[in-house]
Amino acid sequence: EVQLVQSGAEVKKPGESLKISCENSGYTFTTYWIAWVRQRPGKGLELMGLIFPGDSDTRYSPSFQGQVTISVDKSLNIAYLRWSSLKASDTAMYYCARLKETAGGAVFDFWGRGTLVTVSS
Amino acid sequence: SYELTQPPSVSVSPGQTARITCSGDALPKKYAYWYQQKSGQAPGLVIYEDNKRPSGIPERFSGSSSGTMATLTISGAQVEDEADYYCYSTDSSGNLGLFGGGTKLTVL
Repeated sequence: EVQLVQSGAEVKKPGESLKISCENSGYTFTTYWIAWVRQRPGKGLELMGLIFPGDSDTRYSPSFQGQVTISVDKSLNIAYLRWSSLKASDTAMYYCARLKETAGGAVFDFWGRGTLVTVSS
Repeated sequence: SYELTQPPSVSVSPGQTARITCSGDALPKKYAYWYQQKSGQAPGLVIYEDNKRPSGIPERFSGSSSGTMATLTISGAQVEDEADYYCYSTDSSGNLGLFGGGTKLTVL
């Protein structure tokens, strides 16, 4: 059974660093892209970026380039999302999702339950 | 920058047909995907490649695309279909995809 298990909720202060995780099981981790998706309170979904664990090829959406770092640990089947200096505007739910290629494109076929990050002084 | 535009809200009575649109300049050449997000839950796929339904998705969900507009249709909407619906696609350059702004479907 495919599972994406995300780390627990975090409460941080502005300027602090943070790394959240997404542990993958039930499939070959190195053969599927993993996405991170942000959802601010009461707002829509935003694709932050993708990483291919097989070779750590990473792509960022323009709005998130330079703002976060996506990485993986292949030995642990874990994907990470890291901030070096949090802002209040980073307060959001963060989802990881597996990207499965289809005949004509790709779908996010499995999702984690989300990690709620609250940044407040 | 590329955008996918959805109406903020759609409201229907139970049993009626709900149609949610998604407009984007690259949709004539790129597939649309639709995700459903119920309150407090992670999103889930309901339609892929414009009109294909994943296993387990009720037949009342269908998709179509014509020109710059993709449409998610729920025929005979039920109360349990109340959710936010997001379209997803890519721009004509094949860059990273993006989600539309989302449509809140109310069934009551």
